[in-house]
Amino acid sequence: EVQLVESGGGLVRPGGSLRLSCAASGFTFSDHYMDWVRQAPGKGLEWLARSRTKVDSYITEYAASVKGRFTISRDESSNSLYLQMNSLKTEDTAVYYCTRDVQDWGQGTPVTVSS
Amino acid sequence: DIVMTQTPLSLPVTLGQPASISCRSSQSLVHNDGNTYLNWLQQRPGQPPRLLFYEISKRFSGVPDRFSGRGAGTDFTLKISRVEAEDVGVYYCMHATQSPITFGQGTRLEIK
Repeated sequence: EVQLVESGGGLVRPGGSLRLSCAASGFTFSDHYMDWVRQAPGKGLEWLARSRTKVDSYITEYAASVKGRFTISRDESSNSLYLQMNSLKTEDTAVYYCTRDVQDWGQGTPVTVSS
Repeated sequence: DIVMTQTPLSLPVTLGQPASISCRSSQSLVHNDGNTYLNWLQQRPGQPPRLLFYEISKRFSGVPDRFSGRGAGTDFTLKISRVEAEDVGVYYCMHATQSPITFGQGTRLEIK
């Protein structure tokens, strides 16, 4: 059974940083695209970043809204996906989801950016 | 970026009646590999999104067969043959044909 468990969310000041984690299990981690998607309060879904497969050299892609501020990475040894978020803004307040191939989804971790 | 447009945005439906959601993309979603990476997601209140269909019409594990997905190119439809109470929530179309992945605005299904 595929399981994705996000952690690392919380309250952070504008301009601060946060690192989200996603523990993956139940599948061969290196064989799948992994994405981060977020949902601001009462709003729709916004794709943020993708880590391609090992065969694709783990190429990364980003939405324009986070490029240069957020970094997606993964650790094969622990089957973990990360999202390093820097220079956070109030508009980054959202629930952040980890997904496998945008098919399997975690429960999400909330991030609040506020002074 | 490909823009995904859903209609309607609000869908009141009587229990047992059919429902239909349209999704239109601003350009063809046919990938160079010949596949069309159009997915439908359901998000029940207070829950994370859940995949219903991938590649237009391939039903994901556990999805009831009263749900169906169809379409091609730029026009896609999600149908529910007979709405049940558990179908309440927001439905999203999304594409993964190219970067960036984009989502429709969401269609809120409620029971009349």
